Amino acid sequence: KQEVTQIPAALSVPEGENLVLNCSFTDSAIYNLQWFRQDPGKGLTSLLLIQSSQREQTSGRLNASLDKSSGRSTLYIAASQPGDSATYLCAVTNQAGTALIFGKGTTLSVSS
Amino acid sequence: GAVVSQHPSWVICKSGTSVKIECRSLDFQATTMFWYRQFPKQSLMLMATSNEGSKATYEQGVEKDKFLINHASLTLSTLTVTSAHPEDSSFYICSAPPGAGGNEQYFGPGTRLTVT
Repeated sequence: KQEVTQIPAALSVPEGENLVLNCSFTDSAIYNLQWFRQDPGKGLTSLLLIQSSQREQTSGRLNASLDKSSGRSTLYIAASQPGDSATYLCAVTNQAGTALIFGKGTTLSVSS
Repeated sequence: GAVVSQHPSWVICKSGTSVKIECRSLDFQATTMFWYRQFPKQSLMLMATSNEGSKATYEQGVEKDKFLINHASLTLSTLTVTSAHPEDSSFYICSAPPGAGGNEQYFGPGTRLTVT
């Protein structure tokens, strides 16, 4: 059974710092991996999607890497801003068109 | 990107009543939709998979007679919480991959249910 773990559970950093969020999954036979952002009481915003054949994806200040063989993904946020404060969720799917399996998330707080 | 809407965005109901939540894919067809539940400070957990034209499949521990799912068209799935109790209070969110076996998942904005 696929399980997704995210470390750390919470992170507080001053504005401007570069930071890394970690995600690990137990079954390396994934189809793809997505990183989401969730603001308090809100829905999900998709940040990056990495196919199983890809190593990384970039969008603006965000870079996500995938090491399928070791069951790990990292989300790198450059030059963090207070507006980045949110919970970041990592999720994997094992087959095309199937449901996502989520980690518990990392709650990020960026202070100005 | 593809858009998924949910209605209502929040609802308060009394214990024992039923509540219907709608999930619509606005600009694509979805033969499959997923319903998730998120309790406070917890992650999203899959409740059931909604299949157009056939019965939904439920995850272990989810009562199919309590959480009724209907996927009557390629753009609409509904979740009805029957005889709601305070412990059903949660954030319910749906998602859909465009088409059959679509790549990315698109999520609705969620529905906050509070049962008093």
